[in-house]
Amino acid sequence: ETGVTQTPRHLVMGMTNKKSLKCEQHLGHNAMYWYKQSAKKPLELMFVYNFKEQTENNSVPSRFSPECPNSSHLFLHLHTLQPEDSALYLCASSLRGDGSYEQYFGPGTRLTVT
Amino acid sequence: KQEVTQIPAALSVPEGENLVLNCSFTDSAIYNLQWFRQDPGKGLTSLLLIQSSQREQTSGRLNASLDKSSGRSTLYIAASQPGDSATYLCAVSGGGSSNTGKLIFGQGTTLQVKP
Repeated sequence: ETGVTQTPRHLVMGMTNKKSLKCEQHLGHNAMYWYKQSAKKPLELMFVYNFKEQTENNSVPSRFSPECPNSSHLFLHLHTLQPEDSALYLCASSLRGDGSYEQYFGPGTRLTVT
Repeated sequence: KQEVTQIPAALSVPEGENLVLNCSFTDSAIYNLQWFRQDPGKGLTSLLLIQSSQREQTSGRLNASLDKSSGRSTLYIAASQPGDSATYLCAVSGGGSSNTGKLIFGQGTTLQVKP
């Protein structure tokens, strides 16, 4: 266990559905991240939050909407997704979001869009 | 733009062999470099973090080195075991214009250790 939990672990949704992914960290960290891992592609950063403020949006389509209500929780709201959005979505946290600290990852949510 | 490359993409070795995984990056202005392990369908487990001012880090049978000027890192695994079978990912923080903690990942090296 890394101290970062993600729910659900698996999610199947249609293109017209709305769903949310949840991430929670119990490490006392102040930065949280969403990454996407697609088949045959390197892990790719989506969003960074540092002290609840979004500091990076890696040109992510608006059908992905992040929310960080506090330093321990991070959500990814999904709507009108496409089949190519099927991937493993990983959450991570670090003490601060300035590039100096080790990142700890959750187990991921396996998303399938039908 | 920072790019990370890992060679080889896949590696199969007999149990007990010492092995080296390679990682290279294009922009040497990094904050740190992390090596991760990923088992199939699972999240990432951090193995070693090397700060930009460090040359190497060790944890058990693992040793990671960093040569920032040449843009290279190696992960050395001693006396490999079947339980070491996994995909190993290298990631760098910084480089380019980003200091938000964004990690840039390589494609990974998939290791199989045969009993």
